[in-house]
Amino acid sequence: IQLTQSPSSLSASVGDRVTITCRASQGVRNSLVWYQQKPGNAPKLLIYAASTLRGGVPSRFSGSGSEANFTLTISSLQPEDFATYYCQQVNIYPRTFGGGTRVEIK
Amino acid sequence: QVQLQESGPGLVKPSETLSLICTVAGDSIGSSYWSWIRQPPGKSLEWIGYVYYDGSTHYNPSLQSRITMSVDTSNNQFSLKLTSVTPEDTAVYYCAREDVYGSGVWGQGTLVTVSS
Repeated sequence: IQLTQSPSSLSASVGDRVTITCRASQGVRNSLVWYQQKPGNAPKLLIYAASTLRGGVPSRFSGSGSEANFTLTISSLQPEDFATYYCQQVNIYPRTFGGGTRVEIK
Repeated sequence: QVQLQESGPGLVKPSETLSLICTVAGDSIGSSYWSWIRQPPGKSLEWIGYVYYDGSTHYNPSLQSRITMSVDTSNNQFSLKLTSVTPEDTAVYYCAREDVYGSGVWGQGTLVTVSS
């Protein structure tokens, strides 16, 4: 299953609302995960089952969608949110990742 | 607190075998599925496969012919072997704990460069 993220990069300011999309080549039910990765660090799981926030993740992060279309939204971008975000489908093996969306400071 | 730590050579020659070990602390290797994921420099992530404590495995078909994963329950470790490496196998290799919801715990990653 191929996952296509858009945009591949974006520039935004602190306080902006940011939306990242992830499109699957076939339906994956709600088996979609979002990760955040900062330079030099391992990815960190933010959201699983498409919309469930992992414990300790700020509530400004939210996820939605099902089957083939998903979104990750950051309601008010904070300085620590500048990073690369990846989606991953966990419905079918092999598990696959999207190409990533880099969120940069405007 | 669960912690994972990858170890192994940082440089491997083309056509040789890449071997990595992941040491698990704070959790029993017998409790979960354990996976390997890699990330070439500047690129996205690729799921390599998982191993369960009983030795059962599931590999990415794109790498299946070259991969072996195993567990060492006595040392709470699991391992990855990738044979016949080429420069395209140069990447940061991560070990992770995996469940139905995704990979919730990751090692810090180790860069493996394939070069003569």
